[in-house]
Order: sequence, then C-alpha cells, then structure tokens
Amino acid sequence: GEDVEQSLFLSVREGDSSVINCTYTDSSSTYLYWYKQEPGAGLQLLTYIFSNMDMKQDQRLTVLLNKKDKHLSLRIADTQTGDSAIYFCAAWEGNNRLAFGKGNQVVVIP
Amino acid sequence: GAVVSQHPSWVICKSGTSVKIECRSLDFQATTMFWYRQFPKQSLMLMATSNEGSKATYEQGVEKDKFLINHASLTLSTLTVTSAHPEDSSFYICSAIPHIRDRVQNEQFFGPGTRLTVL
Repeated sequence: GEDVEQSLFLSVREGDSSVINCTYTDSSSTYLYWYKQEPGAGLQLLTYIFSNMDMKQDQRLTVLLNKKDKHLSLRIADTQTGDSAIYFCAAWEGNNRLAFGKGNQVVVIP
Repeated sequence: GAVVSQHPSWVICKSGTSVKIECRSLDFQATTMFWYRQFPKQSLMLMATSNEGSKATYEQGVEKDKFLINHASLTLSTLTVTSAHPEDSSFYICSAIPHIRDRVQNEQFFGPGTRLTVL
C-alpha cells in the first residue's frame, strides 16, 4: 500500500511563510490532499492537487508536486495564529481509500 | 454543506462495557463511510470501510467482533466498541463520501471525532 512520510514539527513567526513537506511512494496516486486538524477536532480538507499538475495556488496556500521525486509540499503565505494546527498530507490509494502521513504540527508564534 | 457529525464527542466508560459511536452525514447521503482511529500525536489509521446495506470491510489487524460497524441508512453509520479495555482508549474519527460527487473528486468529509477513555 501507499506509504506517506512527513516531518513532525515546525514553528513559524506570524506573518512569515511556512512550508510543510511530504513524500509518498505510490506513483499511481491520482489525487494528493492536504488536511488541517485543529486540537480535538476532525480533519478539514484544505486543498488538493491532481497528479498531472505541478502547482496549485489557492489564496494563501500553494501546493507543489514533484512527481518524479514523489514529493508534495504546502506553502502557507502570511502565516496567522489561526494556522496553528496539525497538517496531514494524504494520497489517494484507489478504492475510496486514503493513506495519511503522520502529520506535521505547525505552531505560529505571535 | 457536507457536514458530518459524531455523537458522543467524548465518552468515559468502565472496562468491559460496550460503547456505541454514531456518525451522521447531516446534509448529504453517503453510501460509503470510513472509521479511523487516531492515537495521540499520530496519524489516522483506517479501521474499516462501511458500505450502506452491506457488511463493513475491515483493515488487517482490526478485530471485526470487537469493533462492530453498522451502516443501516445512507446517513448513519455506527461503531460499537464491545467489551472495551483501556487499550481501546483513542480518538475515533469517521468520514463520509457523498453519494453524488459534485465536489472534489473522492473527497472525504470528516466528523469532529469521539474521544473514548476506558477506565
């Protein structure tokens, strides 16, 4: 099955940009997603990218996909305190299944 | 739209008792729902896929007799943790895929989770 890896922790000053990285193993994943989880809550879909795209921008979020290296990143511009959360990347495994990374905790320092 | 609720949001029970957790899609029909388990500071682990009107498909290593899943309608799936033990304490999250996919391809909508603590 798919194996998705993420780094664990990132602290960033309010107003700076933050970048979270993720690698995956299954090159046939057609969709890759970024989810946000706030404390004690479920997951909220932030954005996604189709596998034939290199980049997708959605307001403050920029997703970059390097299919050759199976590397996915999420850049948050002008990071705000409300962005403090755990961010999960996920890869579509097919058959309605998602493989999640371990998550990356982002702490925004005012 | 596309809201998924879970009830209860938290529950504390004694060892040996059974606990039922409900997952509802409030404004859409979901033929497929998923149950995940999340340990502190860890990722989501898929436990089972619940299909309306049929038996759930369990992931390897998940005991189907311990984690009973029922998906009796297009808007409700339940997870019953039978004879709960302290090691079953965890955060249980459900998700649902809308019957009509007019949103992000294959997007799953997640419930807020249920914190189970077994004493």
